[in-house]
Amino acid sequence: DAGVIQSPRHEVTEMGQEVTLRCKPISGHDYLFWYRQTMMRGLELLIYFNNNVPIDDSGMPEDRFSAKMPNASFSTLKIQPSEPRDSAVYFCASRPTGGAGYEQYFGPGTRLTVT
Amino acid sequence: DAKTTQPPSMDCAEGRAANLPCNHSTISGNEYVYWYRQIHSQGPQYIIHGLKNNETNEMASLIITEDRKSSTLILPHATLRDTAVYYCIVRVDSSASKIIFGSGTRLSIRP
Repeated sequence: DAGVIQSPRHEVTEMGQEVTLRCKPISGHDYLFWYRQTMMRGLELLIYFNNNVPIDDSGMPEDRFSAKMPNASFSTLKIQPSEPRDSAVYFCASRPTGGAGYEQYFGPGTRLTVT
Repeated sequence: DAKTTQPPSMDCAEGRAANLPCNHSTISGNEYVYWYRQIHSQGPQYIIHGLKNNETNEMASLIITEDRKSSTLILPHATLRDTAVYYCIVRVDSSASKIIFGSGTRLSIRP
């Protein structure tokens, strides 16, 4: 089991550029979550999907952020345009429908730096 | 969701039991207690969860008080690799599966 895979692991970009973060959930998992972690705000849920459908995006900070899940094995989180305050570690997590409610499996994260 | 309160930091000697407390005095009858941890530079990792009864698995034990207003996560023989931030989370186990992470307890294991 490869676990949740995220790419890239590190991303450095300039303000105003578009950033795309990628996630491959564990095969067979029906739920996918995107989180953001900063020193100031801790770990925050941005959005989650069930069966590729966005269920709750209330944590998405603003219209510059968008997330898609075109199929069960791939999701993207896009920031356009990026700003320095978007610098954070972004985690993707997945879980199966039949699992315990919060037994989510997290990926290694993508560290984003916007200069 | 019930709010949880955890000490910001604790330390423990290697080889000893680490006891991490969590207060959740406003917990409802159908809310579970979950524990996750996050080792530096890694994603959070599920540890254990429970409703009323004490639970034990290969990683830890969870002791929930009879009134369910508090709980304790026990790492029976702490090692340096247990140094991490530990999060106590209370939530109904439903299809609305959001995890709301608080600030957690930063556990340091000293050699």
